Amino acid sequence: SQELEQSPQSLIVQEGKNLTINCTSSKTLYGLYWYKQKYGEGLIFLMMLQKGGEEKSHEKITAKLDEKKQQSSLHITASQPSHAGIYLCGADDGGTYKYIFGTGTRLKVLA
Amino acid sequence: ETGVTQTPRHLVMGMTNKKSLKCEQHLGHNAMYWYKQSAKKPLELMFVYNFKEQTENNSVPSRFSPECPNSSHLFLHLHTLQPEDSALYLCASSFFPGLAGGQTAGELFFGEGSRLTVL
Repeated sequence: SQELEQSPQSLIVQEGKNLTINCTSSKTLYGLYWYKQKYGEGLIFLMMLQKGGEEKSHEKITAKLDEKKQQSSLHITASQPSHAGIYLCGADDGGTYKYIFGTGTRLKVLA
Repeated sequence: ETGVTQTPRHLVMGMTNKKSLKCEQHLGHNAMYWYKQSAKKPLELMFVYNFKEQTENNSVPSRFSPECPNSSHLFLHLHTLQPEDSALYLCASSFFPGLAGGQTAGELFFGEGSRLTVL
């Protein structure tokens, strides 16, 4: 079955700094989803990428999909304390509607 | 009113108890999911229901019993659980893709989760 590996596992940055989180798939990606989770709560959908080379932005968060590398990156510009949380990438396992997720990247932003 | 509502938010039970988790979605979706989230492990898919029919049982022990009476409600019945079953249980819903290949399901919408502690 497909697996998603995220790096880094945790990240502490100073407010205002930029950061990047990576998600690498063991198999071909049929859609890549990024979610944010606050500790002990549900996941909030950020954005979905479907085509190789696709790039989407929402406020200060940008995500890209490199289909050939089976990889996606999430970039946050000028981080703020409100960006703190756990970021998870998810994918439709082999196009079978069974969503799988990476282990997550825990982000802390210091004010 | 949130899109996906889970109750209870917190549950503590003994190993001999029987309890249920409830999930309700108000988004008009046709698929509902149960996930288990344990510390330092990826989200584990447990069950998938499409139009009330179970389409996935990801090798889940029989002490977890799902029920989907309609496309808006999903239950997880719990009995004789073990301490290692303590986790955050997340319900989600989405639009289920057609069976023609190559289609990707829409994004998942999650509830706030039910934190389960088994003593």
